[in-house]
Amino acid sequence: KQEVTQIPAALSVPEGENLVLNCSFTDSAIYNLQWFRQDPGKGLTSLLLIQSSQREQTSGRLNASLDKSSGRSTLYIAASQPGDSATYLCASRMDSSYKLIFGSGTRLLVRP
Amino acid sequence: KAGVTQTPRYLIKTRGQQVTLSCSPISGHRSVSWYQQTPGQGLQFLFEYFSETQRNKGNFPGRFSGRQFSNSRSEMNVSTLELGDSALYLCASSLRTGSGLDSPLHFGNGTRLTVT
Repeated sequence: KQEVTQIPAALSVPEGENLVLNCSFTDSAIYNLQWFRQDPGKGLTSLLLIQSSQREQTSGRLNASLDKSSGRSTLYIAASQPGDSATYLCASRMDSSYKLIFGSGTRLLVRP
Repeated sequence: KAGVTQTPRYLIKTRGQQVTLSCSPISGHRSVSWYQQTPGQGLQFLFEYFSETQRNKGNFPGRFSGRQFSNSRSEMNVSTLELGDSALYLCASSLRTGSGLDSPLHFGNGTRLTVT
């Protein structure tokens, strides 16, 4: 049974800092892994999707990597801004269904 | 392009009642999934519909049901509400391709259900 873990649960950094959020999973037979952000009281916004055959994906200041052999994915945020403050969730997809297994998230606060 | 639309945004119900939540996917998306989010359990998969057929179901009791219409809009129903059903219910849609492997999920803002 797939388990997805995100550490740390919360992170506070000063504006401008580069940071890395971690996501680990127990079953490496994933189809893909997706990163989301969630603002308070809102739904999830898709950030990056990495296919199982890919090593990384980039979008603007965000870069996500995937290492299936070690069961890890990281989300790198460059030059963080207060607007990046949100909860970041990773989710693995194991098969052709859209049953995603979510981590519990990392709550990020970027201080001005 | 309009995003995933969920109605209503907030609901307050009493134990024992039933509730119906609605989801309109992004235009052209034919796959709709439902998730429950609670502080204790996080995000948990409820079910997925594609072409009006349930494709997968999570580990929830039979009180939770859903359906999808020919225009891809979906509804989920919870009968005999319990206090523990209080949660944010999120709907997500996807452009399911032939392989079904490479389409990200796009979420709505959810329906906040409170059961008293």
